[in-house]
Amino acid sequence: NAGVTQTPKFQVLKTGQSMTLQCAQDMNHNSMYWYRQDPGMGLRLIYYSASEGTTDKGEVPNGYNVSRLNKREFSLRLESAAPSQTSVYFCASSEERQGASTDTQYFGPGTRLTVL
Amino acid sequence: SQKIEQNSEALNIQEGKTATLTCNYTNYSPAYLQWYRQDPGRGPVFLLLIRENEKEKRKERLKVTFDTTLKQSLFHITASQPADSATYLCALANDYKLSFGAGTTVTVRA
Repeated sequence: NAGVTQTPKFQVLKTGQSMTLQCAQDMNHNSMYWYRQDPGMGLRLIYYSASEGTTDKGEVPNGYNVSRLNKREFSLRLESAAPSQTSVYFCASSEERQGASTDTQYFGPGTRLTVL
Repeated sequence: SQKIEQNSEALNIQEGKTATLTCNYTNYSPAYLQWYRQDPGRGPVFLLLIRENEKEKRKERLKVTFDTTLKQSLFHITASQPADSATYLCALANDYKLSFGAGTTVTVRA
């Protein structure tokens, strides 16, 4: 099992450019998440998908869009990148069994994005 | 407002000693609290989960306590080794999502 995979690993964009970060998991998990991590700050939730076909905003959704393409894949799109979006982006997944409050999350290796 | 605070300073300890990390929170009522380990350039990895009705949980050289009255969790690494050097994150279960602290970086000297 590969677990959670993310592409690309690194990316440099110019202000105003767009791009999509890809995430896939092979653990048959129901829920998937996108976080950003900045120095001195905790992981902040951008968007999450509790199950296939649903997506919801997290703590910092402005400037981002997501698509839950199927149960395995959850992509994050930056339509018009800004320097404030320079960060490390992590995708995560969890089983989220019915009745469980919050299952443990499995993280991908991250995408290091720089916006010039 | 909701806040999760971990040791603001990095922790430098001698091999063999016990490292103790704190996680304090305000305006949360978490059903669970989790601890993750993150190595440089990698994603966090789950270590331990403790429920609100549990006082203590152990896994090998790791011990976690959870005091809902003090709104605090303590994370102990006993008989520390250089391989334990990493950043440790606490995370609170909050309305079917996790909220993370900024983490504490631990360096174990040989």
